[in-house]
Amino acid sequence: AQSVTQPDIHITVSEGASLELRCNYSYGATPYLFWYVQSPGQGLQLLLKYFSGDTLVQGIKGFEAEFKRSQSSFNLRKPSVHWSDAAEYFCAVGAYSGGGADGLTFGKGTHLIIQP
Amino acid sequence: DAGVIQSPRHEVTEMGQEVTLRCKPISGHNSLFWYRQTMMRGLELLIYFNNNVPIDDSGMPEDRFSAKMPNASFSTLKIQPSEPRDSAVYFCASSPVGRTLYGYTFGSGTRLTVV
Repeated sequence: AQSVTQPDIHITVSEGASLELRCNYSYGATPYLFWYVQSPGQGLQLLLKYFSGDTLVQGIKGFEAEFKRSQSSFNLRKPSVHWSDAAEYFCAVGAYSGGGADGLTFGKGTHLIIQP
Repeated sequence: DAGVIQSPRHEVTEMGQEVTLRCKPISGHNSLFWYRQTMMRGLELLIYFNNNVPIDDSGMPEDRFSAKMPNASFSTLKIQPSEPRDSAVYFCASSPVGRTLYGYTFGSGTRLTVV
């Protein structure tokens, strides 16, 4: 079974500074990887996804993530954060059985705090 | 596109009562997922449907939980009887069948409090 670890429960970053959120996964085959963002009281919004090909993927809101197979990682980055980026961020790994799509397994999340 | 619609947004009920949560997926999305979110356990997949058929309900915590999808535009998650430990935010998500791995669309969730 697949699993996801987000080692940082909270991260505090100054507005305008760069950001990196860590994600490590465990899966026996080629993973399908996702980052979602959740604002307070809201559902989850997809930021970006990786299936195959270029290991650096671009997403919405200026975010990007890099897949590193050798490290089983899929870290999320942003060069300059804005106060509106304060939210909960979830990494997820998915599987596809061929007989039908399977559900995603989510990490516990990283709470991002932006300092003025 | 109205997105995934969940109702109610908030539900407060007494222990032992029956609770029904509702979800309307995006039109044309034939995969539907129910998740539960708690501080302790994070996001847990409870059950998912493809073309109205339950595919995997291994995440349903107990027999007190049941889910149905009578048609392509409606699903329910029922808890009977409810217990305080069921308090959580319950999310519904949908995706076109076979394209789930392109990402789900989540509803805004139902915050359930059982007292």
